Amino acid sequence: GQQVMQIPQYQHVQEGEDFTTYCNSSTTLSNIQWYKQRPGGHPVFLIQLVKSGEVKKQKRLTFQFGEAKKNSSLHITATQTTDVGTYFCAGPSSGTYKYIFGTGTRLKVLA
Amino acid sequence: DVKVTQSSRYLVKRTGEKVFLECVQDMDHENMFWYRQDPGLGLRLIYFSYDVKMKEKGDIPEGYSVSREKKERFSLILESASTNQTSMYLCASSLPLTAGVTPLHFGNGTRLTVT
Repeated sequence: GQQVMQIPQYQHVQEGEDFTTYCNSSTTLSNIQWYKQRPGGHPVFLIQLVKSGEVKKQKRLTFQFGEAKKNSSLHITATQTTDVGTYFCAGPSSGTYKYIFGTGTRLKVLA
Repeated sequence: DVKVTQSSRYLVKRTGEKVFLECVQDMDHENMFWYRQDPGLGLRLIYFSYDVKMKEKGDIPEGYSVSREKKERFSLILESASTNQTSMYLCASSLPLTAGVTPLHFGNGTRLTVT
């Protein structure tokens, strides 16, 4: 079945450093979504990318969808302590409703 | 604002018990999902439903069943709870894929412990 892997699994950064997490699917995705889960909370939707090669920005966050629609990345510029949490990518295989989540990257920001 | 409500935040059950986890959403969403979340494994899809009385298996349906008799309610049933079903269970809902941007809205989760 479809598998979605994320690397790294954990990342510790100093406040102000940049951070990137990578997401790779074994199948082509209709779209890719990114979620953030704060410690003790539930995943909260950040953004959805649909087009091949699409790049979207939200303030310090930059999201990219690969040309083959099988990979994606989230880059945070100049991390802040409020960025702490686990970041998940998720997407449905083309033609299905099944949203499969990646394994997540847990970000810790040291002040 | 979409609200997805899970009936219990914490639940402790004994091995062999039948367990019902309830989820209700108030936004008339067609799609509903049940995931379990375990450290290092991310969120794994157990079952999802794209309409009333419709259901499809996710990646780990063994030991679980679901019921969707009304659009707003999606129940997860553990027929005979086992210790390896100790986990955080998350319910989510969304509009259908054809709606464009279709975020999943999650409930607060139910932490189930099976002893």
